[in-house]
Amino acid sequence: AQKITQTQPGMFVQEKEAVTLDCTYDTSDPSYGLFWYKQPSSGEMIFLIYQGSYDQQNATEGRYSLNFQKARKSANLVISASQLGDSAMYFCAMREGLKGYQKVTFGTGTKLQVIP
Amino acid sequence: DGGITQSPKYLFRKEGQNVTLSCEQNLNHDAMYWYRQDPGQGLRLIYYSQIVNDFQKGDIAEGYSVSREKKESFPLTVTSAQKNPTAFYLCASSGTSGRYNEQFFGPGTRLTVL
Repeated sequence: AQKITQTQPGMFVQEKEAVTLDCTYDTSDPSYGLFWYKQPSSGEMIFLIYQGSYDQQNATEGRYSLNFQKARKSANLVISASQLGDSAMYFCAMREGLKGYQKVTFGTGTKLQVIP
Repeated sequence: DGGITQSPKYLFRKEGQNVTLSCEQNLNHDAMYWYRQDPGQGLRLIYYSQIVNDFQKGDIAEGYSVSREKKESFPLTVTSAQKNPTAFYLCASSGTSGRYNEQFFGPGTRLTVL
């Protein structure tokens, strides 16, 4: 079974609108961390936001927020007020366990295109 | 500046040749990782190392080898046994004392086997 599933290969959003990128995960470990990364066409991976399995509140970082629904095992990324520079690939990832040295599994990504 | 360096950015090799990709970090991170990315695909884990002189196979280790003799360095060798080595290779590292212990990535090496 896939540990991380991103069902939207591609998304379009109008500039200044909000967009939600879906991510579901599968784990039996009660301790885990969820990450979102952005990958522009240059190929670099940029860390955006983190949600720990024991965090009570949804994570927010500027225009990024994570809609964490633990019972449904979903961790959707919400980007508010989209900008042209948000056009990129977005990857959801999970670390099973909370130690920084444990392995991380990535989803297949969603390609977001922001339309002027 | 602290970060991860990968060299070279582009690499061309003939089929049947082994090639080694470099990855160096000065973040004092214990863990290091190698990922492979194919066009339009996600990242697949090749090998990872949690500590010096130790490493584990990831999901697609066949045809690859690594070493971790120093904390700062985690080179990846793509051997001739790897059936389809042309891909984008990303190296990452992570620590254990940060707020999130997220992975930091290098700029990647694009390998083309002719």
